[in-house]
Amino acid sequence: DTEVTQTPKHLVMGMTNKKSLKCEQHMGHRAMYWYKQKAKKPPELMFVYSYEKLSINESVPSRFSPECPNSSLLNLHLHALQPEDSALYLCASSHYLGQEETQYFGPGTRLLVL
Amino acid sequence: AQKITQTQPGMFVQEKEAVTLDCTYDTSDPSYGLFWYKQPSSGEMIFLIYQGSYDQQNATEGRYSLNFQKARKSANLVISASQLGDSAMYFCAMRVNDMRFGAGTRLTVKP
Repeated sequence: DTEVTQTPKHLVMGMTNKKSLKCEQHMGHRAMYWYKQKAKKPPELMFVYSYEKLSINESVPSRFSPECPNSSLLNLHLHALQPEDSALYLCASSHYLGQEETQYFGPGTRLLVL
Repeated sequence: AQKITQTQPGMFVQEKEAVTLDCTYDTSDPSYGLFWYKQPSSGEMIFLIYQGSYDQQNATEGRYSLNFQKARKSANLVISASQLGDSAMYFCAMRVNDMRFGAGTRLTVKP
């Protein structure tokens, strides 16, 4: 099973709303990631959790707040977003096996901020 | 600083032919990983292949192979026997401490 699931698939929110994106994996991976992808651009790393601790925060605005409740779940809490935050938000998880590394992505959440 | 470059914004290939997508990278860290992903119009990022910096042999996964030339700092993706379903955006990525993606190459397979 190489599945990473994300909910919701689509989200429309106003600038005053609070919403959360959810990500789940049951592959036993101990690293989980949030990426933001604008149209026709590559994904940009936002946050990395390693063993449920935040290890990388790529200077993301505080209106994005990540949370890792356990080794299988990763949330991204959204508050007071701006229209320019509209994008595809991708979750990923990864593990090392010997010299081999794999990083699997979820299907993403398409976010529209009005 | 790490940098990853894909110089081909778009590529065309005839069905059943092979195609090479270019990727060059730059890092001073001796330990790194190189990835290729496929992203169809649906948006999902599909993992294709991985090459570790210490791997002596080129990685292969079915019709995908990674032409790893360490001295040249290149990690080109070769797709053999192209299929119509291979039409998509292809991203090269490098992981040192974090993960960085190239700008991508849009591949179109012609029937």
